Amino acid sequence: QQQVKQSPQSLIVQKGGISIINCAYENTAFDYFPWYQQFPGKGPALLIAIRPDVSEKKEGRFTISFNKSAKQFSLHIMDSQPGDSATYFCAANLGYEGSNYKLTFGKGTLLTVNP
Amino acid sequence: KAGVTQTPRYLIKTRGQQVTLSCSPISGHRSVSWYQQTPGQGLQFLFEYFSETQRNKGNFPGRFSGRQFSNSRSEMNVSTLELGDSALYLCASSFTGYNEQFFGPGTRLTVL
Repeated sequence: QQQVKQSPQSLIVQKGGISIINCAYENTAFDYFPWYQQFPGKGPALLIAIRPDVSEKKEGRFTISFNKSAKQFSLHIMDSQPGDSATYFCAANLGYEGSNYKLTFGKGTLLTVNP
Repeated sequence: KAGVTQTPRYLIKTRGQQVTLSCSPISGHRSVSWYQQTPGQGLQFLFEYFSETQRNKGNFPGRFSGRQFSNSRSEMNVSTLELGDSALYLCASSFTGYNEQFFGPGTRLTVL
């Protein structure tokens, strides 16, 4: 059972454009929602994360928008650059209460930013 | 502060062999998790250890096992390797296991 659904599978954006990746979750007990960036041959790197009590979090060009009622969250990359070309994964964690100590990942989005 | 380190980075084994992978977490982190990454299945949770205790295990056969030492370093072992075990094996560390997890570079295992 896939508990975190990510879309699109791939995304092509022009330099300077906005990249938007969406995720939807099923388990309302999820309490922590990180995004990871992975370059070929590397491990995933934690990019930005949000908790359900916040609707938006911004760090530099990266913004997470969170809609608790819709059980959806998204990553926005503003002013996308060729160096942002990577695979992005959303994930979810149960948090302190009832934690099972694991991240449940989406399937990933391959982002290509054309120069 | 040094990141998560994994050794070896690459391994080539043949079917039926066994393999041991090692992970050293970020200093001060007591939780170590292991994930398998494949193109078809994505990132799948294998198991998590905290203070030498396995707290959770994913849906993998018993051929996959792990342990954690008193210094928080962890190893995972795969016995009787199958072709389908070819994957990138990732280790992640965190303070508690239910907040930020930081990944190592992974070990690329190829089973021939």
